[in-house]
Amino acid sequence: ETGVTQSPTHLIKTRGQQVTLRCSSQSGHNTVSWYQQALGQGPQFIFQYYREEENGRGNFPPRFSGLQFPNYSSELNVNALELDDSALYLCASSQGLEDIQYFGAGTRLSVL
Amino acid sequence: QQQVKQSPQSLIVQKGGISIINCAYENTAFDYFPWYQQFPGKGPALLIAIRPDVSEKKEGRFTISFNKSAKQFSLHIMDSQPGDSATYFCAASPLYSSNTGKLIFGQGTTLQVKP
Repeated sequence: ETGVTQSPTHLIKTRGQQVTLRCSSQSGHNTVSWYQQALGQGPQFIFQYYREEENGRGNFPPRFSGLQFPNYSSELNVNALELDDSALYLCASSQGLEDIQYFGAGTRLSVL
Repeated sequence: QQQVKQSPQSLIVQKGGISIINCAYENTAFDYFPWYQQFPGKGPALLIAIRPDVSEKKEGRFTISFNKSAKQFSLHIMDSQPGDSATYFCAASPLYSSNTGKLIFGQGTTLQVKP
């Protein structure tokens, strides 16, 4: 186990709703990165947080937003859900920007 | 230019055989190349990683070969075991730039090792 925990494990929402996913980083890690993994695909980088500040964003629309808290845990928020948002959302934490990323087991989001 | 292309999409190997997965990249700013292993229902787990100052790195049965001029790298799994059956992802990122830590993943290779 990596020590990175994500909640919830599964979630079902309907189109247009909003969702919040949570990630608890490994102890001592100050960097959290979020990825979206569609079925049968590799993970795609959404954004990264370093010491509570956003430190880069992938090719995702503004309705994907996030937060990192003082204890370095993090949230991913998605507004106005679309069917294509159905995927496994992965959180990874690391000791710093250049260090190994340890992934959680992910949150499986289904949008109906 | 941000893509990492991975092949093959799927691979079947007999127990004891060698599994080989290949990746190619375009962005010359990439200088960190990890391989991740993912089992169903789990997140990806780091298997082995290489930086371009070396051409090969070996850890147990797993070896990364790196060809900087061809912009290609590969994973070799020696003496493949049924427990190695999983999906493997190559990835790449710059190490010392504003894009540090933003991993770009390949499409994945599903490996099945037959007993």
